[in-house]
Amino acid sequence: GAGVSQSPSNKVTEKGKDVELRCDPISGHTALYWYRQSLGQGLEFLIYFQGNSAPDKSGLPSDRFSAERTGGSVSTLTIQRTQQEDSAVYLCASSSSLAGGLQTQYFGPGTRLLVL
Amino acid sequence: QQPVQSPQAVILREGEDAVINCSSSKALYSVHWYRQKHGEAPVFLMILLKGGEQKGHDKISASFNEKKQQSSLYLTASQLSYSGTYFCGTEVDRGSTLGRLYFGRGTQLTVWP
Repeated sequence: GAGVSQSPSNKVTEKGKDVELRCDPISGHTALYWYRQSLGQGLEFLIYFQGNSAPDKSGLPSDRFSAERTGGSVSTLTIQRTQQEDSAVYLCASSSSLAGGLQTQYFGPGTRLLVL
Repeated sequence: QQPVQSPQAVILREGEDAVINCSSSKALYSVHWYRQKHGEAPVFLMILLKGGEQKGHDKISASFNEKKQQSSLYLTASQLSYSGTYFCGTEVDRGSTLGRLYFGRGTQLTVWP
């Protein structure tokens, strides 16, 4: 595709429910990132997938958060038992992974999650 | 390892200049600059490699001082379209964290007519 796409664009859920957020990276990009951005805040790193390597999960805030990437392409971020503090915009980005290359990250439009 | 950006906010009149700084306590391999408009995704502006390189894009340019682990973004003769939040993302090394960026908290730039 032309760019990174994310779905849904908006999600309203009730506290305690599980949600799944989807990211379709740019075709051919092997690196995929998830970030969280709370209102007026910066970009909080969550998780990073690079090819077939084990993902870097060091940014996940709790064990309620998990992510997977199937077939080296589409990724799903799952939040279990959502809490109100999970409300934020969840951004996905992808980049190519040319050896020695510069890893420009291209962002999707984000999913705005509101937990009531 | 999060870089520090300054100032936090800038208010300008059209045509005025601004400088946004990004400092890291770690040795840097590269610095990436992004701009995010309200309600939109961050958009890539430019990348700078270590070596004191300076790059330009229209009237927006940036420099990277490897020794000081610092980058500066220069906005010249600002336009209304420059308004947004500017983020720097720093790449610390090229080992196991290849490609991972640490983003600053952002600098909110507002340009008034």
